[in-house]
This record gives sequence, C-alpha cells and structure tokens, in this order.
Amino acid sequence: AQSVAQPEDQVNVAEGNPLTVKCTYSVSGNPYLFWYVQYPNRGLQFLLKYITGDNLVKGSYGFEAEFNKSQTSFHLKKPSALVSDSALYFCAVRDIEDTGGFKTIFGAGTRLFVKA
Amino acid sequence: GAVVSQHPSWVICKSGTSVKIECRSLDFQATTMFWYRQFPKQSLMLMATSNEGSKATYEQGVEKDKFLINHASLTLSTLTVTSAHPEDSSFYICSAKGGFSNQPQHFGDGTRLSIL
Repeated sequence: AQSVAQPEDQVNVAEGNPLTVKCTYSVSGNPYLFWYVQYPNRGLQFLLKYITGDNLVKGSYGFEAEFNKSQTSFHLKKPSALVSDSALYFCAVRDIEDTGGFKTIFGAGTRLFVKA
Repeated sequence: GAVVSQHPSWVICKSGTSVKIECRSLDFQATTMFWYRQFPKQSLMLMATSNEGSKATYEQGVEKDKFLINHASLTLSTLTVTSAHPEDSSFYICSAKGGFSNQPQHFGDGTRLSIL
C-alpha cells in the first residue's frame, strides 16, 4: 500500500527567500505525484503533477517540484517566496492497490507562512 | 471569477436523510469531474472521478452505494450522500477539468455538510 509523508506541519520563510515544502512517498509501482494548495478563503487549487518524463516539474504560481526516485521524494520549491504564498500545501500520491483499483493518498498538509 | 460553482455551500440535515450536492462548470465543458472529501483535521481524500456520460470511478475504500455520483452533462455533476449519518459530516469539494491534458483543474468552493 502506498503512503505519503509531509514531515513538517509548518514552514516559516521570509519573503524573497527560497522555500521548500517536503514530501516523501512509498508506492509499490511507479508513482503519480501531485501538489495542491489551499488558500484561506479561496479554496483548493491544483499546483502540479508528475506522471512520467522530466524529473523537474513546473507548476502554477512559479512553483516547481523535483521527483527523486532514489530518495522517494517530491519536494515543492519556489525560488522566491511571496507573502501571498502563505497557505496549506498538500502532497498526494496515486498508485494501484493490490486489488487493482486506484487510490490517491494525501499527506497531512504543511502550513506555509511567508513573513514580509 | 469562479469557473466552478458548488451548491449548496453549507447544509445541515437530520440523520437518515439524503443530501445532494451540485457541481457546475460555468464557462467550459467539464469532461472530467472529481469529488474530494476533507476531514475535520484537514486531511483530504479523493473519492471518485467521473467522465461525462460514464459511471464514476471510485477510489478504493469509498462506498459506491453511499456516495452516488452522477455526471450526466458536460457542465453538471452531482454527489448524493444517501442515508447520511453523523460520520458523513465533512467538507466536500468538487473539481472539474476540460478534455485536453494541458487544461487546468478548477475547484469549487466546497460544501460543508453537517449531519445531526
């Protein structure tokens, strides 16, 4: 069975500094990996996904994530944080269960605070 | 402006009743719609994916008879929670996507369901 971990409940970054939100996963096969963001009062939004191909995936709002198979990680990054990036970030992994059906597992979420 | 409208935004009902939540794409044809559930401690779960005119594909562990999903047109999907009980209380979020792989996934604002 697959699992996903976001080891940090909260990440604090100063505006203009690079940010990283960590995600590690465990799957039986080749993973499909996703990042979502939930802004206060603006709902959930899709940021990016990795299915296959280039390990560096670029997404919305200047975010990117790197698929690292050896470290089973898919960390979310942005070169220069904005105060408006403050939100709740979810990593997710999709895999085929032993019974043949798909299941998407979400991490517990990491709250990002960007300070001006 | 919002491109996915979810209705109602908040509903309270008695245990044993069925509740229908609507998800409409406002200015595009939603070939694929997704239904998510967010639990009180913020964790997310993908419940099912539906393609217009086809039966929904449920994630492993989601009760098909409990959570009925209909995607009868390219602009409307509905989630019906049948014979709802207090444990079904949650925040339900729908999402819609057009037919091409590079089209973004748009999310509704969610429906807060409380079962008494």
